[in-house]
Amino acid sequence: AQSVAQPEDQVNVAEGNPLTVKCTYSVSGNPYLFWYVQYPNRGLQFLLKYITGDNLVKGSYGFEAEFNKSQTSFHLKKPSALVSDSALYFCAVRDDSSASKIIFGSGTRLSIRP
Amino acid sequence: GAVVSQHPSRVICKSGTSVKIECRSLDFQATTMFWYRQFPKQSLMLMATSNEGSKATYEQGVEKDKFLINHASLTLSTLTVTSAHPEDSSFYICSAEPSTSRGEETQYFGPGTRLLVL
Repeated sequence: AQSVAQPEDQVNVAEGNPLTVKCTYSVSGNPYLFWYVQYPNRGLQFLLKYITGDNLVKGSYGFEAEFNKSQTSFHLKKPSALVSDSALYFCAVRDDSSASKIIFGSGTRLSIRP
Repeated sequence: GAVVSQHPSRVICKSGTSVKIECRSLDFQATTMFWYRQFPKQSLMLMATSNEGSKATYEQGVEKDKFLINHASLTLSTLTVTSAHPEDSSFYICSAEPSTSRGEETQYFGPGTRLLVL
C-alpha cells in the first residue's frame, strides 16, 4: 500500500533563509512524487513532480525537491524564503503499478516571518 | 496550464436538502476525475474516483448513496450531496487527470467548494 508522511505540522523560517519541508514515502512499485501548495480557501497548485531522471527536480516559484531512493524521501527546498511562500504544502505519491490514485501527506504549514 | 473549475465556490443550505457541485476541465479532456474532502487544517481525503461513462469507485467508508457522482462527459463530473446534514459541511475539491496521461501527469485541481449545512 502507498503512504506518504510529512513529519512536521509546521515549519517556521525567517525571510531570506533556506527552507526545507520534509516528506517520506512508501510504495510497492516505482514512485511518482508530487508537491502541491494550498493557499487559504483555495484548491491545490502543482509545484513540481519526480517521475524519473535527475534526482533534483526544479519547480515553480523557485522551489526544488530532491528524490532520495535509499531514504525514500522527497524533501521540498528553497534557497531563500519569501513571506509570500507562507502556505500549506502537501507531498503526494502514486506508484506506477496503480496509476490512478494519488495519496496525500498530512500537510505542513510553512510560515515565513519578515 | 490546464484549468479545472468548480461551481459553486461556496454554498449554504438547510439540513435535508441536496447540493450539486460541478467540476469541469476547461481546456483538456479528463476520463478520470477525483473528488476529495478536506476538513479544516487537515489533508485531502479521497472520496471517490469518477470515470467517464461508468460508475464511480468509492473509497472505503464513503456512502455512495449519500454522495452521488456522475461523469457524463469528458469535461464534467458532478458530486451531489444528498440529504445534507451539518456533519457534511466541509471543503470539497475535485481534480482531473488528462486522458492522455499514463500516471506520470499531475492531476489538476479545482479551486474547491465550501459547503455549509445549517
